Amino acid sequence: AQSVAQPEDQVNVAEGNPLTVKCTYSVSGNPYLFWYVQYPNRGLQFLLKYITGDNLVKGSYGFEAEFNKSQTSFHLKKPSALVSDSALYFCAVRPPSNTGKLIFGQGTTLQVKP
Amino acid sequence: DAGVIQSPRHEVTEMGQEVTLRCKPISGHNSLFWYRQTMMRGLELLIYFNNNVPIDDSGMPEDRFSAKMPNASFSTLKIQPSEPRDSAVYFCASSLQYTEAFFGQGTRLTVV
Repeated sequence: AQSVAQPEDQVNVAEGNPLTVKCTYSVSGNPYLFWYVQYPNRGLQFLLKYITGDNLVKGSYGFEAEFNKSQTSFHLKKPSALVSDSALYFCAVRPPSNTGKLIFGQGTTLQVKP
Repeated sequence: DAGVIQSPRHEVTEMGQEVTLRCKPISGHNSLFWYRQTMMRGLELLIYFNNNVPIDDSGMPEDRFSAKMPNASFSTLKIQPSEPRDSAVYFCASSLQYTEAFFGQGTRLTVV
């Protein structure tokens, strides 16, 4: 079955420190991979995607993610966290087919403390 | 483009009543998704359409839920009859094939 796992319900970091939010997936073929962020009482906002090419992709607000095919992972990273980065983060995968549905992980709450 | 537009933003209804949620996807997008978000179950995919055709409705909880997409610019999610356990935030999202989806602001449904 196709699935996405975010092993941490919550990640706590101090402002200015690097952050990592983990994601692993189980999808056949070469899926497309995405990260989204959700602020309270808002919809999900797209952050970045991996389709093909360089394993390190850069996205909005200074976030980046590293694709690792052998480990089937797509971890979200940022070199220096901001308090305003505190939010709920979702990893998602989409199988590369005409009818590929978008599958989300359960979400990870990022708490950045001053 | 105004993005994905959902209406209403908030809906409070009594148990047993019919509820209809509406979605206008981004113009030109050919995939549309309906998700439900709750604290207990997280973000669940209910149904998705490709070129107005329902592709996978395996996430629809039961027969009380139905979704339609009569044309490329409009979709509805209907619950009849509604129950308190249907209370959640319902999101609509649209995308081009293979690419990222863009989400609406959601409809917060409360069934009392």
